[in-house]
Parts: sequence; C-alpha cells; structure tokens
Amino acid sequence: QSALTQPASVSGSPGQSITISCTGTSSDIGGYNYVSWYQQHPGKAPKLMIYEVSNRPSGVPDRFSGSKSGNTASLTISGLQAEDEADYYCSSYTSSSTLVFGGGTKLTVL
Amino acid sequence: EVQLVESGGGLVQPGRSLRLSCAASGFTFDDYAMHWVRQAPGKGLEWVSGISWNSGSIDYADSVKGRFTISRDNAKNSLYLQMNSLRAEDTALYYCAKDMRSVDYGIDYWGQGTLITVSS
Repeated sequence: QSALTQPASVSGSPGQSITISCTGTSSDIGGYNYVSWYQQHPGKAPKLMIYEVSNRPSGVPDRFSGSKSGNTASLTISGLQAEDEADYYCSSYTSSSTLVFGGGTKLTVL
Repeated sequence: EVQLVESGGGLVQPGRSLRLSCAASGFTFDDYAMHWVRQAPGKGLEWVSGISWNSGSIDYADSVKGRFTISRDNAKNSLYLQMNSLRAEDTALYYCAKDMRSVDYGIDYWGQGTLITVSS
C-alpha cells in the first residue's frame, strides 16, 4: 500500500497552465480507470475535482482536466486563477480492493 | 445536499480506545460504500478503511489492521470506527467520506473531520 507519487510543489502565474503528475503501479493507476483528484484549501475538507481519470463533477470549472498514460495520471489546470492555490491529491482504487492517495502537491499561484 | 458529520474525537492516552461516529444525510445511505480517511497535522491524506453498502466487504490499511474496526448501521444512517490500541502516530483529523458506488471505488463527498490526539 505505498502512496502514489506526486511532486511536492508546482507553481504558475495567473492565466498559465500547470500539470500535476501522479505515478503509481500496474496494481493501481495502471490497472484501473478509477483515478480521482481532490482540491484542499487550508483548514477545509477535500473537494472532488476529477473522477474516473477525466470526468468533472457538476460545478467544477472546465479549466480542470485529467488524463492517464500507463501508470501515471495527470491533472491539468488551465487559465490559472488565484483561487486555485491549494493542495491537490490524487487517489486510485487498487487491486487489493483499497484506496490509495498521493502525497499531495502544493500549488502556488504567483 | 450530502452531509457527513463526524463526532467522537478528542485527547486519548496511548494504548486506549476511542469510537468515532459519522451521521450521514442527504442521500440514500445504504446505496453507497463509506470510508474513513485521516490526515496527520501538516501531512497528506491517508486512507484508513472502507466498507461496502451491506458490510459484506471491509478493508483496512496495513497501518491500522488488527487495531481498528469499521462498521455501519444502515437503519441509523451511521458509520463507525472503533479504534483500539491507539498510538501517537494515529494522531490525525479523521474524515468520514462517501463513495461514488456501493463498493470501494472512489470518494465524492467528505465530512469536516474530527480530531484525534493520542498523547500521554
């Protein structure tokens, strides 16, 4: 049950695009299209931003998009806005019938 | 509106027990799997345990296996986590979370969390 691997931090200027990677194994990300992404602002509960690799829940801006290639999933935020500054976590279903999270990525909007 | 309200947190000595509860509303509780996820102070999210809609499938993280027990009461729309033999490393904010399906799949809604501090 090793955590998925995410970069500790990423940054970008308003209006730019950034991509956060999330690397796992064939037993989690590579084996299933059950990858989710969560946004967490300080002191708040996580919020679902992407599910099933690339689907957006109702109310999530289309600036947020997800993709997957092999054992690596990615979250892209285009047209970066100040309110996007937060921690982002990926998650995947695993072959052990458990869930696993990434270590989290702190997004700074410069 | 989906609401998940955790309770039962607090300060507890190492080796002691604690039981967390989660009251769910705004959705058909017995249609969905449920989870407990924790977050140590200043750290990332860690999945703790999950339970299917009818309690037929239950899973735990290795870090809590044998010490924690998840359960649910569909008649009361409630989720529970019995935590025994608590350790300092169990100190965290514990979130109750709803799955998108009836078995473990992925979380779509989270409660606000209840804080557990394990210290002498």
